[in-house]
Amino acid sequence: RKEVEQDPGPFNVPEGATVAFNCTYSNSASQSFFWYRQDCRKEPKLLMSVYSSGNEDGRFTAQLNRASQYISLLIRDSKLSDSATYLCVVSPSGNNRKLIWGLGTSLAVNP
Amino acid sequence: ETGVTQTPRHLVMGMTNKKSLKCEQHLGHNAMYWYKQSAKKPLELMFVYNFKEQTENNSVPSRFSPECPNSSHLFLHLHTLQPEDSALYLCASSQDGSVSELFFGEGSRLTVL
Repeated sequence: RKEVEQDPGPFNVPEGATVAFNCTYSNSASQSFFWYRQDCRKEPKLLMSVYSSGNEDGRFTAQLNRASQYISLLIRDSKLSDSATYLCVVSPSGNNRKLIWGLGTSLAVNP
Repeated sequence: ETGVTQTPRHLVMGMTNKKSLKCEQHLGHNAMYWYKQSAKKPLELMFVYNFKEQTENNSVPSRFSPECPNSSHLFLHLHTLQPEDSALYLCASSQDGSVSELFFGEGSRLTVL
């Protein structure tokens, strides 16, 4: 089993749609979780950290389910500019200096 | 304008060449990283420098040689590479070595012929 696993997609959705991605992780003791966004031929950028209580930033909502060992990202009212690859990133227990990266989920928002 | 700049953006080299990738960060961070991003593979950490000291070498072949002269600059010296080393090489920086947020450069796309 991969340490961090994501559905690669692509997810093709129309503008205005709501789309959700899940990411599973294998290490039950993992402590920190993040979503990064990578545009085509660009560098990854932090989208949001994922907190135990869940967190929201505008149209984006991130949630953590420790019991099932997955994190999710929900995007509401999708914009064309949301088209990108969304990378799930997990930091193992007690080591906030190491990150395990998923392969990413590709999202294409269509007009 | 990114706070982390990498040069060159594109590099084509033969297996016998020697070349270097350069990274500079303007964010005042203390830690710098080299990552490798290949198609259909997750980002792979190669090297970590914290306050100019190498703190991690993730079993990287010796044909890749990092250099960190100060907290703002990071180099990756390349020598006798293989075609499978073709990838996007990303430099990143963070404050105090914490990975709570990494700031990446746009990357150097390397092709080894």
